[in-house]
Amino acid sequence: DAGVIQSPRHEVTEMGQEVTLRCKPISGHNSLFWYRQTMMRGLELLIYFNNNVPIDDSGMPEDRFSAKMPNASFSTLKIQPSEPRDSAVYFCASSFGGSSWETGELFFGEGSRLTVL
Amino acid sequence: EDQVTQSPEALRLQEGESSSLNCSYTVSGLRGLFWYRQDPGKGPEFLFTLYSAGEEKEKERLKATLTKKESFLHITAPKPEDSATYLCAVQENTGFQKLVFGTGTRLLVSP
Repeated sequence: DAGVIQSPRHEVTEMGQEVTLRCKPISGHNSLFWYRQTMMRGLELLIYFNNNVPIDDSGMPEDRFSAKMPNASFSTLKIQPSEPRDSAVYFCASSFGGSSWETGELFFGEGSRLTVL
Repeated sequence: EDQVTQSPEALRLQEGESSSLNCSYTVSGLRGLFWYRQDPGKGPEFLFTLYSAGEEKEKERLKATLTKKESFLHITAPKPEDSATYLCAVQENTGFQKLVFGTGTRLLVSP
């Protein structure tokens, strides 16, 4: 079975440019999470969706960040304009509300490494 | 605010040298404590969930235990393939799936 698919795997951009990260969750999963990982702060939850509806976006750093989930099989995280401090690895994860919710088992993609120059 | 602190930040072991990783947490009401393993360039991979103090879970050379304030991941006779970053996370008893992660322990097992 295909896992969580993220694209691009690597992105290098210049400050001020728009960045769009994409995620395809595991089929049948109804929760989707965006995390950001840095050496200093570890994994931070940015936003999560349940049944395509944003439930908690308190981790979104500022208005430059936005996330959408137009359907059950696709989500985007957009940064506009990007800044050097946004450089990090961005992970998408999905889960099925039900047994996996009970266990907290999130299935992570391989991440998108973003470098903003 | 939920907090998770892991120690040590990094640990180097010889193959066969057993040790423990620590995860201290502060949460108003614990729904569950989770351990994940992360290999370089990969996303975290689920290992265990612990729900209540005194609970233990085992998987191969790994055993996780839980008290009211901390969790330990015991590694018995580790092998080089156990080298990875081990992440601890807590979920508050709010009904939401929000996991708060620690910064992890980087484990290196030398042959």
